[in-house]
Amino acid sequence: QVQLVESGGGLVKAGESLRLSCAASGFTFSDYYMTWIRQAPGKGLEWLSFISTTGSITHYADSVQGRFTISRDNAKNSLFLQMNSLRADDTAVYYCARFYGGVGSDTWGRGTLVTVSS
Amino acid sequence: DIQMTQSPSSLSASVGDRVTITCRASQGITHYLAWYQQKAGKVPKLLIYAASALRSGVPSRFSGSESGTDFTLTISSLQPEDVATYYCQSYNSPPHTFGPGTKVEIK
Repeated sequence: QVQLVESGGGLVKAGESLRLSCAASGFTFSDYYMTWIRQAPGKGLEWLSFISTTGSITHYADSVQGRFTISRDNAKNSLFLQMNSLRADDTAVYYCARFYGGVGSDTWGRGTLVTVSS
Repeated sequence: DIQMTQSPSSLSASVGDRVTITCRASQGITHYLAWYQQKAGKVPKLLIYAASALRSGVPSRFSGSESGTDFTLTISSLQPEDVATYYCQSYNSPPHTFGPGTKVEIK
C-alpha cells in the first residue's frame, strides 16, 4: 500500500542542523510532487515546502526560506529536508506528504518530532 | 501570499446535527481548496479536494462547496467519530496555506 515513513527527528540545540528523510513505497515516487508540513505542539498545520517530480522546482514558506532545503532522490524513493540554523520555534512534528496538483496532499507519513532547545 | 481564515474556531454540536465550517481565502483560488480531518494524536486525513470532491472512502455525510472565495465544509449528521479538528488548505499556488483549524466536539 501507499506509505510514507519519516525519520531523522530528534533533540538539537538552537543553531544546529538536522536532516529529515521520508521513505516512500507503494507508488511511483517519481510521478509525484512531494511536500513537507509541520505542526508545533498544540498548534495547527503549517505548510513548509514542496518539490516537483524532478526536483527542478521548489518553493518554501517565508518562515523557513533560506534555512531549509528540500530535495529528493527518485532512485531511492526518498525525500529530504535539510534544516539549518534551527530555532526553538521550529519545534514540531514534521510530516512528509504526497502532493497531487488536482487533489492536494492525499497521503501523509506519521511524522517525526523535532525538538529544538534554546 | 494568500491568507486563509476559518470560522468558527471551535463548535459543540449534538449527534445528528448539521455542522457547517467556513473557510475564506484572501484572494481567488478557484477550486483549489482541500479539507483535512485530524483526530487527536493522529495524522491529518484528506476528506475533500477541489472544493467539493469527496475522496474515496470518506462518508457521504461530508460535503464541500464554494462561493467565490468562501468555502464550506458540511457534516450533514454529526457522528461521535467526527470529533476532530478540521483544516482547509489552498493549493493553487505556493505557499499552500492552511487555515487555523476548527475544533468540533460533541455536546
